[in-house]
Formats: sequence, structure tokens, C-alpha cells
Amino acid sequence: EAQVTQNPRYLITVTGKKLTVTCSQNMNHEYMSWYRQDPGLGLRQIYYSMNVEVTDKGDVPEGYKVSRKEKRNFPLILESPSPNQTSLYFCASSAFRSYEQYFGPGTRLTVT
Amino acid sequence: GESVGLHLPTLSVQEGDNSIINCAYSNSASDYFIWYKQESGKGPQFIIDIRSNMDKRQGQRVTVLLNKTVKHLSLQIAATQPGDSAVYFCAENIRGRGQFYFGTGTSLTVIP
Repeated sequence: EAQVTQNPRYLITVTGKKLTVTCSQNMNHEYMSWYRQDPGLGLRQIYYSMNVEVTDKGDVPEGYKVSRKEKRNFPLILESPSPNQTSLYFCASSAFRSYEQYFGPGTRLTVT
Repeated sequence: GESVGLHLPTLSVQEGDNSIINCAYSNSASDYFIWYKQESGKGPQFIIDIRSNMDKRQGQRVTVLLNKTVKHLSLQIAATQPGDSAVYFCAENIRGRGQFYFGTGTSLTVIP
């Protein structure tokens, strides 16, 4: 089944404790992206990657890191999480030059 | 950042009626517009897209209209069904770039 998977689905952590949210897709897509979703603000793009070893900032990259060492994986790293990063995070992927992004199920992160 | 917004945050329609969801955008350089549907507890799902050189595009029970003069697009859902109840987002993109800007969403409720 074609899908985007994210782990963990739920995470409660404390301020400053480094964490990684994994994202993997099995569709051989070139493009991958991370979004955060907050009430009243819709989806905001954090980082995106057009292909392996190519990453770029989205609208809200502060406090996040990403890497794209393999085509299928695009982990999101929070080196020192803060409460304002409490949010619902989505990973997405799409084929090259396609605007049909496939979204993962989401990761709900709470930082206390 | 870009401004992509919706005229109404909520919309209620009777089952069988047509629904119209509106979206305004601000960047006249945007040339791709996409509609997504997000059901409760799930990631967004692609519905339909439209290029800026088109005024109208039809899919299965959905039609997207684009008015570049007033920077407005709409999603029309014909014969709305209970399964159409969801939050609908519009998004914009500049061709060749990896950044996407999403609106804040409209919650559609279908009344049986």
C-alpha cells in the first residue's frame, strides 16, 4: 500500500530534550515536506526537500532541522524543543513536478 | 510570508445541496492552486488542482474556479454527501519552487 508513515504518532516531552520525528514514504517520491498545524493558523511549512541531499526552509523553520540522506526518509529534528513547538506535525511527499502531496497521519507533539 | 485565507471558517449545507468554499490569495506570482480535504484525525488528502492559465477545472463532483483578477478561487462540491464533512484547505505554489502556502481552512458540515 502506498503510504507515508510517521513515528511516533503521539509524543509528550520536556523543554530542551532533543527529539526526532521520523517520516518515510514508499512511493519513490522526490519531494518531501514537513508542516505544522495549529488551530486558526492552518498548515505552515517548516522544511522541504526537492530530492536527496537537497533541503530548503519553509515558512517557519526556526527551531527545527531536517536531513535527506535517503530518498524515502525525511526526519524532523528538534534539538531543543520549547512549548511553542507544541503542535500537530505532518509529513508529506509527492512525485517530481506533481502537486498531489500525500500526507502522513500526523504526529501530535506536546512540549511541557 | 504569503497570505492565503478563506472567507468563511464554517459552512453547513443540507445533504444533496451544492457547497461552495471560497479562498483568497495574495501573491499574484502564484501559478498553482490546490485544494485538500482533511477529515477528523487524518492528514490532508488531495482533491484537485488548477494552473493559473485555467479558469475552471472539473473533477468527480468537484469544480474549482479561479479568478486571477481578484485573486480568488473556489471549490464547488455537487450533491454534497455526509462523507464530504471535513475541513477544506486551499494552497498556493509558485511553479518550480518547493514552498506551499496553505489557508486556514473551512469546516464543512453536511446535515442529513
